[in-house]
Amino acid sequence: KQEVTQIPAALSVPEGENLVLNCSFTDSAIYNLQWFRQDPGKGLTSLLLIQSSQREQTSGRLNASLDKSSGRSTLYIAASQPGDSATYLCAVRPGQNFVFGPGTRLSVLP
Amino acid sequence: GAVVSQHPSWVICKSGTSVKIECRSLDFQATTMFWYRQFPKQSLMLMATSNEGSKATYEQGVEKDKFLINHASLTLSTLTVTSAHPEDSSFYICSARGEVSIEAFFGQGTRLTVV
Repeated sequence: KQEVTQIPAALSVPEGENLVLNCSFTDSAIYNLQWFRQDPGKGLTSLLLIQSSQREQTSGRLNASLDKSSGRSTLYIAASQPGDSATYLCAVRPGQNFVFGPGTRLSVLP
Repeated sequence: GAVVSQHPSWVICKSGTSVKIECRSLDFQATTMFWYRQFPKQSLMLMATSNEGSKATYEQGVEKDKFLINHASLTLSTLTVTSAHPEDSSFYICSARGEVSIEAFFGQGTRLTVV
């Protein structure tokens, strides 16, 4: 059974810092991995999608990497801003549906 | 990306009543829809998968008679929480994918509070 974990569970950083969020999954047989952002009481906003054949994806200040063989992904956020404060979810797709990690709650302090 | 609209965004209902949540794909045909549930400070857990015109497939531990899922058209799926109880209070979110693309898109979610 696929399990996804995320470290750290919570993170608080001053504005401007670069940071890394970690995601691990137990079964490397996945179609893709996706990073989402969730604001309190809101739905999901897709940030980056990495296909199983890819190593990384970049969008603006965000960069996500995927090492399928070791079952790991990282989300790198450069020059963090208070508006980046949210919960970041990592999800893998072993089949049609997603298996989500518990998320990392990020607070960027002004 | 494609748009998935979920309605209502929040609902408060009395214990024992039923609540219907709608999930619509606005600009593509959703052959498959997924319903997830998220309890406070927990991650999203898949409840069921529905394919248009077929019965939904429920995950272990999810009562199919309590959480009725209908996917009668390629643009609409509904989740009805029957005889709701306070422990059903949660954040429900749908996801939809089309036949061609493997990418799935999420609705905005519905916050259900049963009092």
